[in-house]
Amino acid sequence: ETGVTQTPRHLVMGMTNKKSLKCEQHLGHNAMYWYKQSAKKPLELMFVYSLEERVENNSVPSRFSPECPNSSHLFLHLHTLQPEDSALYLCASSQEDRGLDEQFFGPGTRLTVL
Amino acid sequence: KQEVTQIPAALSVPEGENLVLNCSFTDSAIYNLQWFRQDPGKGLTSLLLIQSSQREQTSGRLNASLDKSSGRSTLYIAASQPGDSATYLCAVGSNDYKLSFGAGTTVTVRA
Repeated sequence: ETGVTQTPRHLVMGMTNKKSLKCEQHLGHNAMYWYKQSAKKPLELMFVYSLEERVENNSVPSRFSPECPNSSHLFLHLHTLQPEDSALYLCASSQEDRGLDEQFFGPGTRLTVL
Repeated sequence: KQEVTQIPAALSVPEGENLVLNCSFTDSAIYNLQWFRQDPGKGLTSLLLIQSSQREQTSGRLNASLDKSSGRSTLYIAASQPGDSATYLCAVGSNDYKLSFGAGTTVTVRA
């Protein structure tokens, strides 16, 4: 596998479910990001991790819980979501976060909350 | 707060025509500017990255310019092809980790 991979690619869940999104980067990067892309809206940064430490939490509701066990893996744990949370969730990585190096994106997980 | 605007929101051109996509931003204190391509339902592909000290970057048929003082960047795509049909996103990097994205320009190149 190369680049940034995300699983699952599609997810449908009820408001009472608990699920997790997974992201893995094979680029040797030190920073990883979660973004949300809703229809007709610009991408919104949710979380930034640098060397496995969270360095940015962009006022995201607590029903979204990130986890970064190592510099190659990033998870987004979901619980008691709302229908308005339906969106494309994109993971990205970059060599460094401070330098704002070029960001490389995964294919995204299309989430539908019923 | 950085705000990024992309005009037009959609563009349709015949094959072979040159494309001009515009991006404007409100805060000129940027670190860099990145152009991405997004195909329907897919992730983003990085096209060009311009550092704040640079005026332009070129890659094949793509050329991006940056004018920090006026808060503008332009992406030129020469001799467009149907395969260039996609949404093009502009993202401005500030030195507090964040990329601020525009809403994108959706391009259709007609064969």
